[in-house]
Amino acid sequence: DAGITQSPRYKITETGRQVTLMCHQTWSHSYMFWYRQDLGHGLRLIYYSAAADITDKGEVPDGYVVSRSKTENFPLTLESATRSQTSVYFCASSPVSGAGNTIYFGEGSWLTVV
Amino acid sequence: DQQVKQNSPSLSVQEGRISILNCDYTNSMFDYFLWYKKYPAEGPTFLISISSIKDKNEDGRFTVFLNKSAKHLSLHIVPSQPGDSAVYFCAASALGNSGYALNFGKGTSLLVTP
Repeated sequence: DAGITQSPRYKITETGRQVTLMCHQTWSHSYMFWYRQDLGHGLRLIYYSAAADITDKGEVPDGYVVSRSKTENFPLTLESATRSQTSVYFCASSPVSGAGNTIYFGEGSWLTVV
Repeated sequence: DQQVKQNSPSLSVQEGRISILNCDYTNSMFDYFLWYKKYPAEGPTFLISISSIKDKNEDGRFTVFLNKSAKHLSLHIVPSQPGDSAVYFCAASALGNSGYALNFGKGTSLLVTP
């Protein structure tokens, strides 16, 4: 029962480089999310997806791109990484959308942009 | 604009005593509230939740209270144990809000001392 897995777990990259964080879930959940966690901000929503080929912006989408060609995968791409994107990134999923919804998180990807 | 607020960044409690973590929210459309627990280097894990039609939900040592008129909820942990030491995030969701994505507070770091 793998659940939701993220890769890489740790990454150091240079400013201006493209970086892709992978997210894979084995539950066949419809909804998937990307959050970032920063000191003093808690968890903030970057993008979410209601189903394959359906994505939408969250609170802090600038500088990020997502895609969802398959239900189980939801990669997050930083097209040109900046130092302000140094953060911990959490992928999450939930089976449905609606009242009583519980979101399940992956273990996180620690990204440092130098 | 932070819609979910946890005004206490940290809390220290002795083992065996009660821990009370507080959370306030501003969006009256929120209809479901959750608490997540997070250990270092791990993803947040779901702890307990409450629907807006209830004012209390209990699960073992954990109880969540909701006061809708005050837009306030609290998490009570009785008795507190050293293994409860973690960061606790309050979260809320609403219909039509980014696919029922969760809005998180900044977290409260709980330390339970022996």
